[in-house]
Order: sequence, then structure tokens, then C-alpha cells
Amino acid sequence: ILNVEQSPQSLHVQEGDSTNFTCSFPSSNFYALHWYRWETAKSPEALFVMTLNGDEKKKGRISATLNTKEGYSYLYIKGSQPEDSATYLCASPNAGGTSYGKLTFGQGTILTVHP
Amino acid sequence: EAGVTQSPTHLIKTRGQQATLRCSPISGHTSVYWYQQALGLGLQFLLWYDEGEERNRGNFPPRFSGRQFPNYSSELNVNALELEDSALYLCASSWSDRDQAEAFFGQGTRLTVV
Repeated sequence: ILNVEQSPQSLHVQEGDSTNFTCSFPSSNFYALHWYRWETAKSPEALFVMTLNGDEKKKGRISATLNTKEGYSYLYIKGSQPEDSATYLCASPNAGGTSYGKLTFGQGTILTVHP
Repeated sequence: EAGVTQSPTHLIKTRGQQATLRCSPISGHTSVYWYQQALGLGLQFLLWYDEGEERNRGNFPPRFSGRQFPNYSSELNVNALELEDSALYLCASSWSDRDQAEAFFGQGTRLTVV
């Protein structure tokens, strides 16, 4: 895989549901994997920066895991709330074998949580 | 502490004109990144400045250029505007040029080319 890919493209869940989505990235020359949340009319905001294989990070009801050997990361949201509605982006530096300092973003997963 | 600020919020230009977009990073951040989000596309990396120098650029034509000033603020210039340059332009800053440093984003400039 040369690019950063996210799935699904969009997701509709009910309030209280737990959900997860996937980010796939190049596994060779791995440096870091970033997750961002982008709410409508706001700026993208960093959730996690992950660097170690097997790493798991948590912020409130949101957690993420990382597998650098196979090149994927999962983002989990437990007990989704309407305020979790946003686009979730993952990004990898050096994706596609390109040069230093460039964050390559996936297309994002648009999450809508219905009350 | 002020976040990343961008100006103007909206900009309308005519095809062929030049557009200048501005970004002030968070105090203490030396790296500034520019991204473009065109309609239906994801965030595309445009340019990276650090310590006043251009360090990397994305796959964009030379009419996309910029600079970073001694106070680390940055300017993105788009010459000879084309209709497809209409997009949201986001600026981000980070405290380090290391890959582990998270990026802090501004709210963007919406450029419309008519």
C-alpha cells in the first residue's frame, strides 16, 4: 500500500452505539501515525500520535490501536454521542515513500451520531 | 494562548489573478504547513516551511509558492488563478519538524475563483 486509506467512507450510528473505523498506511519505513478529528466549521484537532507497534492510546471514550507490521490502525468510539459527529482523519508521514515532513492524509471517515 | 490564525477567512478572485493567504502559527512553533482541500478530495499537502526555508513541497505547480517570515508567520501565494484552485486552504504549525509532532490547524481560508 502506497497511500493512506480509510474505511468506511461514512458511518451513521445511534447515540450509545460503539463504533470503529480503520486506517491503512504503508508499513515500510514507518515513523508515526496521526489521528485527527475535524468537526464542521472548526479546525482539525489532533487526537493521537502513535509511534510504537502494539501501541494503544485512549482519550475519554475514544481509543486507538496501532499495528505497524501490517500497516493498520483502528479508532474506537465507545458509547457514541451526537457531539462525536465529525470527520476522522488519519495521516502518515512519508506515506508512499515520499520525503520527510509531509503528512499524507486519508480521505477520512465521516461519522454521524443520531440522537 | 492563541491558536493558528489564518486570514482572510474567505477570498473571491477572478481567474488569472493572484491570491495571497496568510498564516500565523502558535507562538514557539517554527514549522508551518499548507494544505489544500478541493471539493470532494482529501487534504493535499502543499508546502512546508521551517526556520524560514521551504523544506518540502507537494505535487503542485510552481504558481503555488510561499514564504516564511522571521517571526515564523507564513504567506501562500497562488499566481495565475485557475477555477480548480477553488478550495479550502488550511495552515498548520508544529513545535518540531519531527514526524511525531502533532499539527495544529487554523480554520482555513476559503478561496473561490470565478
